[in-house]
Amino acid sequence: EPEVTQTPSHQVTQMGQEVILRCVPISNHLYFYWYRQILGQKVEFLVSFYNNEISEKSEIFDDQFSVERPDGSNFTLKIRSTKLEDSAMYFCASSHIDRDDEQYFGPGTRLTVT
Amino acid sequence: AQKITQTQPGMFVQEKEAVTLDCTYDTSDPSYGLFWYKQPSSGEMIFLIYQGSYDQQNATEGRYSLNFQKARKSANLVISASQLGDSAMYFCAMREGNTGFQKLVFGTGTRLLVSP
Repeated sequence: EPEVTQTPSHQVTQMGQEVILRCVPISNHLYFYWYRQILGQKVEFLVSFYNNEISEKSEIFDDQFSVERPDGSNFTLKIRSTKLEDSAMYFCASSHIDRDDEQYFGPGTRLTVT
Repeated sequence: AQKITQTQPGMFVQEKEAVTLDCTYDTSDPSYGLFWYKQPSSGEMIFLIYQGSYDQQNATEGRYSLNFQKARKSANLVISASQLGDSAMYFCAMREGNTGFQKLVFGTGTRLLVSP
């Protein structure tokens, strides 16, 4: 069964450093999303992406964050100048253009900022 | 205001019994979708079941069924014949609008513990 993949599974970085989280969505999906989940809290929407541009972003998704689809398969989330409060699980998700009943999540990247 | 409310922080059930996890939602959009996800201790989010606002019948997927009560704005997840592997966090989520191209808004989750 097709699945969303994410790398790395765990990233440790120092405060102020830049990190790039990578995702490979399901191949025939055209909508892509990033969510985050701070430990013990609910999952929060960050950004959605379609046709090589951001379609919606939350208040959390400020200038520190950016997304990119650098090639036909990868979808990345960049966090510039990480802060302690960026420590969270980051989930990539994707959905099909003709299906409104599915949104599949990747296994997540646990980001720890020290 | 909370769009998705899960009032049960934790639930306990014995193996082989059925359990209902509550979810209520708030929206003024006539078109929306409701999702349930399972999050085991390993952290991944596993899609379980979906209910569209215009679906006439309650969704079912194997041992999972969704008790959709539109007038009450509730979308409870029913797990029949619980198994030890069902122990996990369960999140209810909603998508507003009638396309797949919409963000999901999640509830705070319910931790289910299945005992032998």
